[in-house]
Amino acid sequence: DQQVKQNSPSLSVQEGRISILNCDYTNSMFDYFLWYKKYPAEGPTFLISISSIKDKNEDGRFTVFLNKSAKHLSLHIVPSQPGDSAVYFCAASEDTNAGKSTFGDGTTLTVKP
Amino acid sequence: DVKVTQSSRYLVKRTGEKVFLECVQDMDHENMFWYRQDPGLGLRLIYFSYDVKMKEKGDIPEGYSVSREKKERFSLILESASTNQTSMYLCASSFLSPGNQPQHFGDGTRLSIL
Repeated sequence: DQQVKQNSPSLSVQEGRISILNCDYTNSMFDYFLWYKKYPAEGPTFLISISSIKDKNEDGRFTVFLNKSAKHLSLHIVPSQPGDSAVYFCAASEDTNAGKSTFGDGTTLTVKP
Repeated sequence: DVKVTQSSRYLVKRTGEKVFLECVQDMDHENMFWYRQDPGLGLRLIYFSYDVKMKEKGDIPEGYSVSREKKERFSLILESASTNQTSMYLCASSFLSPGNQPQHFGDGTRLSIL
């Protein structure tokens, strides 16, 4: 049973437009949600996180929205830039689980100039 | 900046060999993790450790073991390598708590088993 799902394997957007990456989860015990970005031949790097007690967190061009009732979160990138082209992983963790995270399968974002 | 260093970027081994993948972190993190990444399957947790000499199985531990003799070093061992273990292996580390501590990843080892 996959607890964190990213249903869109890929997304293509035009430079300057908004990118919206989606993530669904099934475990209501998750306390935190994190987004990571991965370029080819590099390890993932942390992008932004949100606590389950919040519904929005913003950091520059990146905003994460959490809808607990729908068990859904989304990452918005505005405006999108070609350098944002990467694989984005959604991850979720519980405070009581020793820092272990459950990752989604990733969404490949391509931003076209 | 946190540095997680994996000993090899590319490795080619033969079926049946014992393979060691090494990972070192320099931020005094309690947690260390080993994942494998395969196309369309995301990051799957093999093993993790929250303290020296402590280890916990992840989602896919079969065919693997780990060793954590020192806080900064976490080794992944393929006891008898098989072709289905050809993959990208990623090591990560983080503080133990709270749960929003991000994981810091190495650049990965692409392992090919022939």
